[in-house]
Amino acid sequence: AQSVAQPEDQVNVAEGNPLTVKCTYSVSGNPYLFWYVQYPNRGLQFLLKYITGDNLVKGSYGFEAEFNKSQTSFHLKKPSALVSDSALYFCAVRDMGGYSSASKIIFGSGTRLSIRP
Amino acid sequence: NAGVTQTPKFQVLKTGQSMTLQCAQDMNHNSMYWYRQDPGMGLRLIYYSASEGTTDKGEVPNGYNVSRLNKREFSLRLESAAPSQTSVYFCASSEATLLTSTYEQYFGPGTRLTVT
Repeated sequence: AQSVAQPEDQVNVAEGNPLTVKCTYSVSGNPYLFWYVQYPNRGLQFLLKYITGDNLVKGSYGFEAEFNKSQTSFHLKKPSALVSDSALYFCAVRDMGGYSSASKIIFGSGTRLSIRP
Repeated sequence: NAGVTQTPKFQVLKTGQSMTLQCAQDMNHNSMYWYRQDPGMGLRLIYYSASEGTTDKGEVPNGYNVSRLNKREFSLRLESAAPSQTSVYFCASSEATLLTSTYEQYFGPGTRLTVT
């Protein structure tokens, strides 16, 4: 069965410092991986995805994610954090369990990112 | 382009009452989904519709029913609300098909439901 794990409930970073939000995955076959962000009292917003190709994927708001097949990881990164990046971040993987589940994606438990001024 | 819209934004029900949450998307997406989000539980899939005319159970379908009214609209019904159904409900849509690689989902703003 496909799954993703976000090992940190909370990540605290000072503004201007680089940030990393961790995600590991478990899939059979090639993974389709996603990152989403949720601001308070809002729905989830799509940030970026990895399907194939370059292991470094660039997305919205200056975020990027690095796909590492040997470590089964897909960590979200940003070179310089902003206070406005404070939000809840979800890693997700496409469910590859057959046609009826072809369009589902499985979300991790979320990591709360807090950027201090 | 409104994306995914949900109504109502807030709702308070008494135990045993029924209600329908409405969702519509204007992106011509094939697939639509209903999730609930509870503190510390992440997102849990209730039901989904891979294409018009089909619906399937997700992780937590008990106590809910759905209708894919047409390609645009996907409603979620609580027949007899219970306090355990107090949650924030999100609708999402996706272009997803076996022929494309566009599986990302786009979410509505949510409905905050309280059952007393």
